Amino acid sequence: GAGVSQTPSNKVTEKGKYVELRCDPISGHTALYWYRQSLGQGPEFLIYFQGTGAADDSGLPNDRFFAVRPEGSVSTLKIQRTERGDSAVYLCASSPTSGVYNEQFFGPGTRLTVL
Amino acid sequence: AQSVAQPEDQVNVAEGNPLTVKCTYSVSGNPYLFWYVQYPNRGLQFLLKYITGDNLVKGSYGFEAEFNKSQTSFHLKKPSALVSDSALYFCAVRAIWGGATNKLIFGTGTLLAVQP
Repeated sequence: GAGVSQTPSNKVTEKGKYVELRCDPISGHTALYWYRQSLGQGPEFLIYFQGTGAADDSGLPNDRFFAVRPEGSVSTLKIQRTERGDSAVYLCASSPTSGVYNEQFFGPGTRLTVL
Repeated sequence: AQSVAQPEDQVNVAEGNPLTVKCTYSVSGNPYLFWYVQYPNRGLQFLLKYITGDNLVKGSYGFEAEFNKSQTSFHLKKPSALVSDSALYFCAVRAIWGGATNKLIFGTGTLLAVQP
């Protein structure tokens, strides 16, 4: 079956611009996660949705970052006034439920470059 | 604070030899432990997990991992390495109480290079 998909695969923007990154989870998965992976590092947690609501947004670095999941499926990560330090690969993952024993299935990521 | 350590940035092994990629963790309470593999320009792929029960867990592509509670370790192993195993490997932990959330905490990754 189809896995997690993310669009775009690459995004180049200029400092100060607004960007949106999209994630389509595996069909039927209720839990959705966003991570950020900088060069040479492991993924770092940003935000977790259970259904439509953000259950844990403790990893969002500041108020320029925001994410939504209005219908409990597709999610959009929004970054305002981008900075060069936001450059990274943004990974989305989903799991069937919010059970802590579930593995998370990752998408291929969106590589964001802020010039 | 919960954390995961992968002490080796890179592991080199000859094809056909056994391989070990090390991981240690620090959590409050019992951990759920995971191994993922990342190939170039691809997303993370799940390999295996430890939840409870048998300390030796078997996963995809012939990989296995041994949970050792006293040493707080969860090393990834494979009896005979393949060149196609060359990739970046991440260990991750998720605590199940004491401030548990559903987030995964990842190590910094270990690059496995298998020489023909």
